[in-house]
Amino acid sequence: DVKVTQSSRYLVKRTGEKVFLECVQDMDHENMFWYRQDPGLGLRLIYFSYDVKMKEKGDIPEGYSVSREKKERFSLILESASTNQTSMYLCASSLYGSRREQYFGPGTRLTVT
Amino acid sequence: DQQVKQNSPSLSVQEGRISILNCDYTNSMFDYFLWYKKYPAEGPTFLISISSIKDKNEDGRFTVFLNKSAKHLSLHIVPSQPGDSAVYFCAASESGGSNYKLTFGKGTLLTVNP
Repeated sequence: DVKVTQSSRYLVKRTGEKVFLECVQDMDHENMFWYRQDPGLGLRLIYFSYDVKMKEKGDIPEGYSVSREKKERFSLILESASTNQTSMYLCASSLYGSRREQYFGPGTRLTVT
Repeated sequence: DQQVKQNSPSLSVQEGRISILNCDYTNSMFDYFLWYKKYPAEGPTFLISISSIKDKNEDGRFTVFLNKSAKHLSLHIVPSQPGDSAVYFCAASESGGSNYKLTFGKGTLLTVNP
């Protein structure tokens, strides 16, 4: 079974703090993704990475950056957290190739106060 | 512009009956479609997928139907069980170089009543 883990299930941070969310997958997947999920808006792609040190912006990259130094690990960074970044953050991974299923971690519920 | 639309925010069904969740898309480059289930405070779980070369794919109680001419797909759950109560997301992927990217609908909350 694919295992995607995220560093925290719940996180509370203050406005202006730098926030790190970490994701680790154990299936040697090339692709990794960060989404946020908000009520009524579905899943929106923030960033994705198709290889170590490679990254591309998704649909809503503003206010976020990412880091992928190792194949199994993909970090999402909020440089200066704001209240509108309060959300559920989901990490996913997938294999390169014709099978396009993405496998998700349990999510991190981030609250910025 | 929403390329994947789930027009029903919620659906309520009796246990044992059929649940039908619908999804429409606008991008004719989409050639692979997926359904995910999500419980509160958990990540989405992959359920079933279908390639555009097929019009039906079945896995146990779950069947996905694809009507390419109408740009419409549906997920049928038969028989529905209370444990199926969750948010269901439809997702689609394009052919070609961006095929790793999924575009999600906003989800439909399914409630199966005992």
